[in-house]
Amino acid sequence: SAVISQKPSRDICQRGTSLTIQCQVDSQVTMMFWYRQQPGQSLTLIATANQGSEATYESGFVIDKFPISRPNLTFSTLTVSNMSPEDSSIYLCSVEEGNGSYNEQFFGPGTRLTVL
Amino acid sequence: DAKTTQPNSMESNEEEPVHLPCNHSTISGTDYIHWYRQLPSQGPEYVIHGLTSNVNNRMASLAIAEDRKSSTLILHRATLRDAAVYYCILRDAVLGAGNMLTFGGGTRLMVKP
Repeated sequence: SAVISQKPSRDICQRGTSLTIQCQVDSQVTMMFWYRQQPGQSLTLIATANQGSEATYESGFVIDKFPISRPNLTFSTLTVSNMSPEDSSIYLCSVEEGNGSYNEQFFGPGTRLTVL
Repeated sequence: DAKTTQPNSMESNEEEPVHLPCNHSTISGTDYIHWYRQLPSQGPEYVIHGLTSNVNNRMASLAIAEDRKSSTLILHRATLRDAAVYYCILRDAVLGAGNMLTFGGGTRLMVKP
């Protein structure tokens, strides 16, 4: 099973600044996903990132606000730009790994972001 | 993907069985039923999945209704470590790789010692 690490694990940031979250996977994966979990809420998909192509964003999320990089098959970054208190959430990286008959999703521990 | 309905919360006593229900009346023939859980301060983790037949693994059992419009996740002996939010998710097998999970509200399971 894929093991995922995220950096930083948590951060407190000032309004108007940007934060880049790193996601590292211990195996090569094609698909990586970024989710947001607002306080007390369920997970919402932000975007899907394939290596070598532009990320695909879900409705309500735009590249200017959440630029994503995917330089290789084991790494991705999500930047939260021009932050406001409404961006305070847990951001989770996820990958899909399968054996041909079933694809399981694995999740990182999350990055807890607080914007003041 | 079709929608699921779960109770917001449930309570259980330690070492007793827990039955977590999920309704999915609009499920399509190619939808798999997945269960993930999210322990406090962690990302979600896979629990079990099934299509038509009941399934067992080391973590839990999944009982699927004959008409597939509902399912039940069964934890045979709840422990304090099972306290988590349990998500029942439908995902279309036909779409294949990259068909990411769409999370609903889930059921918050509280386990009393």
